[in-house]
Amino acid sequence: DAGITQSPRHKVTETGTPVTLRCHQTENHRYMYWYRQDPGHGLRLIHYSYGVKDTDKGEVSDGYSVSRSKTEDFLLTLESATSSQTSVYFCAISERQEGYGYTFGSGTRLTVV
Amino acid sequence: KQEVTQIPAALSVPEGENLVLNCSFTDSAIYNLQWFRQDPGKGLTSLLLIQSSQREQTSGRLNASLDKSSGRSTLYIAASQPGDSATYLCAVSDNTDKLIFGTGTRLQVFP
Repeated sequence: DAGITQSPRHKVTETGTPVTLRCHQTENHRYMYWYRQDPGHGLRLIHYSYGVKDTDKGEVSDGYSVSRSKTEDFLLTLESATSSQTSVYFCAISERQEGYGYTFGSGTRLTVV
Repeated sequence: KQEVTQIPAALSVPEGENLVLNCSFTDSAIYNLQWFRQDPGKGLTSLLLIQSSQREQTSGRLNASLDKSSGRSTLYIAASQPGDSATYLCAVSDNTDKLIFGTGTRLQVFP
């Protein structure tokens, strides 16, 4: 999607290794989000950020950490990947004001073996 | 806690039919309601955004309505085509800083 990119697009990693996913935006939006999408569970919020160095937990935050040192970048880290973290991860941006919607990245497909 | 539900969960129709997808939410204190489309293995594409002060939005063959007082939104697809086959997601944003998604409607339009 224009203005928001995720990297990598695909990744296979081994159980117990650290993994970092990157979300980069060029829209200067204040809010950034990390979601995971799994069959039968839909989209669930992991963590979100409401400004540089300002982050908060979502409903499925255990095993994940985030950092936002610049407005444009929001990193999601799996400190020690587990098979239950195999999923598709989506980043989203928003201004969270009436009239501003959410824009999603293309996703990162992560497989933990 | 805001909850969003979509009915039906799946729908299969012949090409050319007009469709209505339903979305309901439990807390009417929303900022926006957004409809997305997701193709298999792909990301989310925003279709329509309705502000809380609006009643409907239109884009081409798509029309979305919003009734905040009853906690409902509908997505109307006119003259459906096989290319409309996808999963349609409804999501609401409110003052909790979060976007809450519905369960989705999987649509298949066959020739």
